[in-house]
Amino acid sequence: GAGVSQSPSNKVTEKGKDVELRCDPISGHTALYWYRQSLGQGLEFLIYFQGNSAPDKSGLPSDRFSAERTGGSVSTLTIQRTQQEDSAVYLCASSLWRRASTDTQYFGPGTRLTVL
Amino acid sequence: DQQVKQNSPSLSVQEGRISILNCDYTNSMFDYFLWYKKYPAEGPTFLISISSIKDKNEDGRFTVFLNKSAKHLSLHIVPSQPGDSAVYFCAASTSGSNYKLTFGKGTLLTVNP
Repeated sequence: GAGVSQSPSNKVTEKGKDVELRCDPISGHTALYWYRQSLGQGLEFLIYFQGNSAPDKSGLPSDRFSAERTGGSVSTLTIQRTQQEDSAVYLCASSLWRRASTDTQYFGPGTRLTVL
Repeated sequence: DQQVKQNSPSLSVQEGRISILNCDYTNSMFDYFLWYKKYPAEGPTFLISISSIKDKNEDGRFTVFLNKSAKHLSLHIVPSQPGDSAVYFCAASTSGSNYKLTFGKGTLLTVNP
């Protein structure tokens, strides 16, 4: 079956512009996660959704970052007034959330964001 | 502060030999550990995991060892194959926030034919 898909795969934007990154999780997965990987760093947790609600937004770096999920499926991560330090690969993952502590998170290929 | 550390940015081994990738953690609340493998331009893929109630978990050529007292885990790949060449990430979670994985920076493994 289809895995997690993300679009666009690459995004180049100018400082100060808004960007939207999209994630399509694996069908039937109720949990969805956003991470980002800055150059030379590990993946950093941003936010997670259970259905359409986000119980933990603690990883969002600033109020310029927001995310939503509709219909328990597609999620959009929005970054307003982008800054150069926002340049990173943004990764989305999804999971079934059957047994919480052992759920495997399946990752998409990521969106590489470059802010000029 | 980095709670999960992979101190070796890269490792090179010969095909057929053992690859040992190491990971240290500082948060004693971590009770579940995972290894992910990542090829260029792809997302990380789950490889193997271990709960803190165990000290070893094996899956084919891959074995993960956990030393809780030392806050150290390692991934052994035997025998190593050229297709294993990838970046390997160690990750950990707590039972209180089991959805949130904390990752190390990764180790680039190169298996030479």
